Amino acid sequence: QQPVQSPQAVILREGEDAVINCSSSKALYSVHWYRQKHGEAPVFLMILLKGGEQKGHEKISASFNEKKQQSSLYLTASQLSYSGTYFCGTEYGKLTFGQGTILTVHP
Amino acid sequence: GAGVSQSPSNKVTEKGKDVELRCDPISGHTALYWYRQSLGQGLEFLIYFQGNSAPDKSGLPSDRFSAERTGGSVSTLTIQRTQQEDSAVYLCASSSRGGDEQFFGPGTRLTVL
Repeated sequence: QQPVQSPQAVILREGEDAVINCSSSKALYSVHWYRQKHGEAPVFLMILLKGGEQKGHEKISASFNEKKQQSSLYLTASQLSYSGTYFCGTEYGKLTFGQGTILTVHP
Repeated sequence: GAGVSQSPSNKVTEKGKDVELRCDPISGHTALYWYRQSLGQGLEFLIYFQGNSAPDKSGLPSDRFSAERTGGSVSTLTIQRTQQEDSAVYLCASSSRGGDEQFFGPGTRLTVL
């Protein structure tokens, strides 16, 4: 089943913070986060694993609450380059992605 | 090193024709995935290959869709008797193993007239 992301869209000014949430009705083994800019392919941001391990490439933090079957992505001091659509993905191996959260950062 | 490549980048076809989309994963990656993204929509899982295991085909929308992966490397997604609702961007991704970060190709934009 598809995870549910919230909010669907968020608009920020540079330097502001945002939180994107991802909820699943199924027990989670891991949560992946990707960002897709308009007209481009999705790019990996982070994996959060059951047990607390995290793997990521950018200075973006996230949390994974196994009990609540939720993950949150924290974007702090946002930059213009953060604009794009953020997807969370759940399930081991294959990923089932949420519907996406559109983030727009204005100067 | 080279990333995931897909061909063609664009494909326009007529309703009822068959199409083949190709994906070249990153060398050494054992896991390969196909997704479909309709305009303004999310990423829809289609099929997942992991090593020599039987592929997970649970996302294929109909029996008109099939995919194979030859020699554990290149993959071809075939859509038979294309319909207008098949129009979308088809994305391929690979990872070093199942569950790891996925590297996406640039996608093939399919338009069915």
